Amino acid sequence: GENVEQHPSTLSVQEGDSAVIKCTYSDSASNYFPWYKQELGKGPQLIIDIRSNVGEKKDQRIAVTLNKTAKHFSLHITETQPEDSAVYFCAASIEKGLTGGGNKLTFGTGTQLKVEL
Amino acid sequence: SAVISQKPSRDICQRGTSLTIQCQVDSQVTMMFWYRQQPGQSLTLIATANQGSEATYESGFVIDKFPISRPNLTFSTLTVSNMSPEDSSIYLCSVELGSYEQYFGPGTRLTVT
Repeated sequence: GENVEQHPSTLSVQEGDSAVIKCTYSDSASNYFPWYKQELGKGPQLIIDIRSNVGEKKDQRIAVTLNKTAKHFSLHITETQPEDSAVYFCAASIEKGLTGGGNKLTFGTGTQLKVEL
Repeated sequence: SAVISQKPSRDICQRGTSLTIQCQVDSQVTMMFWYRQQPGQSLTLIATANQGSEATYESGFVIDKFPISRPNLTFSTLTVSNMSPEDSSIYLCSVELGSYEQYFGPGTRLTVT
């Protein structure tokens, strides 16, 4: 089955700096790669996703890049703010649709991001 | 997106007992999922719950331990049976929307003593 590795496990940056979190996946058939932010005591929140037919996607201060050949994808957060402090999870899946058993996500191990003032 | 609620938000249970967790979504969805997140760890898929059919369990999870119901398109339950301290985790439900995006509920924090 799919295996997703995520690095680093912890990341500390100064407010205003950029943060980069990297993930690699094992199954070349995976074609959907979401990123989730989980704050303490809350469920994961979808912040951005990318599909395998796209190399990069941006949404304000966050961006995700995908390298299908190398089987890795990264989350980039620019101009970090204290409210960005949370655990971030990457995930990968093979989109199978409603008749194919749904979108079973395999998660990375998480990155604890701390944005310091 | 979707608004998802879970009940209870947290519970402390005795070993050997069972707890049923409810998941309610504000719109009709076909695919619902149940995940487990052990303390300080990542999320692991327990099962997929499709309305009108039996739940599909992932390797390492069995129906006798984690029975699931999916009576309609907005509701599902997960029961954790015959609990042991190793079952102490956060249990999360999620829903898949038509665009394949998956949204999570707030989770149920279970402690087994």
